[in-house]
This record gives sequence, structure tokens and C-alpha cells, in this order.
Amino acid sequence: EDKVVQSPLSLVVHEGDTVTLNCSYEVTNFRSLLWYKQEKKAPTFLFMLTSSGIEKKSGRLSSILDKKELFSILNITATQTGDSAVYLCANYGGATNKLIFGTGTLLAVQP
Amino acid sequence: DVKVTQSSRYLVKRTGEKVFLECVQDMDHENMFWYRQDPGLGLRLIYFSYDVKMKEKGDIPEGYSVSREKKERFSLILESASTNQTSMYLCASTPGGGRGQPQHFGDGTRLSIL
Repeated sequence: EDKVVQSPLSLVVHEGDTVTLNCSYEVTNFRSLLWYKQEKKAPTFLFMLTSSGIEKKSGRLSSILDKKELFSILNITATQTGDSAVYLCANYGGATNKLIFGTGTLLAVQP
Repeated sequence: DVKVTQSSRYLVKRTGEKVFLECVQDMDHENMFWYRQDPGLGLRLIYFSYDVKMKEKGDIPEGYSVSREKKERFSLILESASTNQTSMYLCASTPGGGRGQPQHFGDGTRLSIL
């Protein structure tokens, strides 16, 4: 069965800390891995990764994919309270190339 | 920017009612999706559509149906609402052609069935 597993389930840090969120997957016909940020409403797209070892970066956020070990990490440096959200990892793959989501990591950044 | 609009942010209905959730996108996307999101379970795909009048079942279609009469609009229908359908419902869309593109989500409808 295709699955995406995120860890930790939740995390509390202080402003200025660096955090690493993990996403491992077992997905047949893997095509790409996506990260989303979800605050109170719509998940917003962060990154899409298709190749191993190539870091994607946007400001204080970065992500990398390891297709051999079947995982990805999302790093956030110098965290701010505005980074508080649920971070979702998803894979395109499976028999019908649908988006398969993990359960998310809830990040709380305290002042 | 892609805009995916869901008709209601919050909705309260009674058991047995027929419930319609509406979703409209303004970017001429071919593909549209309905998910429900529950704590500890993540997002689960209910139905999706790759074209007008076309629909395919997702992972949890039981108790739901959909309608896609126009390209921009994708409706989710709860034929006879039950309390276990209380959830956050999210609509999403992507362009056609290359499957694997990031999905753009609406703000969600938090549905409570009493």
C-alpha cells in the first residue's frame, strides 16, 4: 500500500530556532514529492522535488529529496511565529498517479 | 494567481439532509479534486475529474457523488448526510496535460453534521 509518513507529528520551538521536518514514503511509480504549508485555511504550495540531492530553497525554507533512502526533509532556519502551521508532504505516484498525503507536522513557534 | 473558491467556509446540516459543496476555479484548469481532511488521517481523496462531465472515484467515495457540468465548477454532493461526514472539505485544481503539477487549494469548508 502506498503511504507517506511524516515526523514528528508536532513540534514546539522558539523564535530563531532551526527546525527539520521529515517525510518518508513508500510509493509505487514515484514521480515527485511536494511540500505544502497549511495555516487556518488553504494549503499553500512550497516546493516540488523530483531529483535526488538537489536542494530547493526559498528564503529561510529549503528542502531536499533522497530517492535512494525514500525520504525528504524540510528545513526552516531562524523560525518566526508566522511559520506556525501544519506542514504537509505529498507524493505523486501509485497506480493512478494521484497525490498521496502524509498526516502533516504541526509546528508551533513561540515568541 | 490561481483562485479556487469554495462557496462556504462553515456549514451546519442535519443527518439525512442532501448537502451540496461548491467549488469554482478561475484558471481554466482541466483537473479538479475533492478531499476531506481529518485529524490523524491527513487529506484523503474523495473524487476527482479530468474534464467536464467526467469523474473518477478516489479513495473514499462512499456516501458522496460529484457533478462537473462546467469546466470551472466541481460540486460535491452528500446524498444523505451522516455524522461521520463531519469534516473539513478541500477542493483543488491543476492544469491538464502534465499530471504531477502542484495542486491549488481552496480555503476549505468545515462541515458539521448534527
